Amino acid sequence: EVQLVQSGAEVKKPGESLKISCKVSGYSFTTYWIGWVRQMPGKGLEWMGVIYPGDSDTRYSPSFQGQVTMSVDTSITTAYLQWSSLKASDTAMYYCARLYYGSGSYYSPFGPWGQGTLVTVSS
Amino acid sequence: EIVLTQSPGTLSLSPGERATLSCRASQIVGSNYLAWFQQKPGQAPRLLIYSASSRTTGIPDRFSGSGSGTDFTLTISRLEPEDFAVYHCQQYAASPWTFGQGTKVEVK
Repeated sequence: EVQLVQSGAEVKKPGESLKISCKVSGYSFTTYWIGWVRQMPGKGLEWMGVIYPGDSDTRYSPSFQGQVTMSVDTSITTAYLQWSSLKASDTAMYYCARLYYGSGSYYSPFGPWGQGTLVTVSS
Repeated sequence: EIVLTQSPGTLSLSPGERATLSCRASQIVGSNYLAWFQQKPGQAPRLLIYSASSRTTGIPDRFSGSGSGTDFTLTISRLEPEDFAVYHCQQYAASPWTFGQGTKVEVK
């Protein structure tokens, strides 16, 4: 069974750094792109970007380029999303999701999703 | 980037009725790379339809997708109680991939 299990909720202050995780199991980690999606409170979904664990090729949405960093650790089949300096406007639910198609296919919808990590940034 | 506009914002229907949700793109979605997701409160989205009209494994056949180019539709033939949720469309034809703002299907 494919599973994506995200790290727990975080409460941070503006200016702090943060790294959240997405531990995957049940499939070959290095052959599927994995991405991140933001959902601000009461709002729609926003595509942040994707990373290919096979070679760490990363594609960011222009809206998030330079604001976050995506990475992976293939030894523990985990993807990460990190911020170096959080802002109050980063308060949101963040989902990781694996692409539906494998074998490095990029043009694919998101398939299985993690349960989400709620990030709250408040002074 | 391709902007997706979903309509209506909210659809108020009764169980057993037919739901028709629209997703319109600002540019042609190449290869009809358009997906539909269902999201219930407190849950992650779930993929229903990909490539505009292909149902994911396990999705009931009351859900169907249609359309091409810039106009796409998700139809729920007869609403079941568990179908009341928010539905999002997403294009994955051109980077950055984008989502629509969502349509809420609520109980009338």
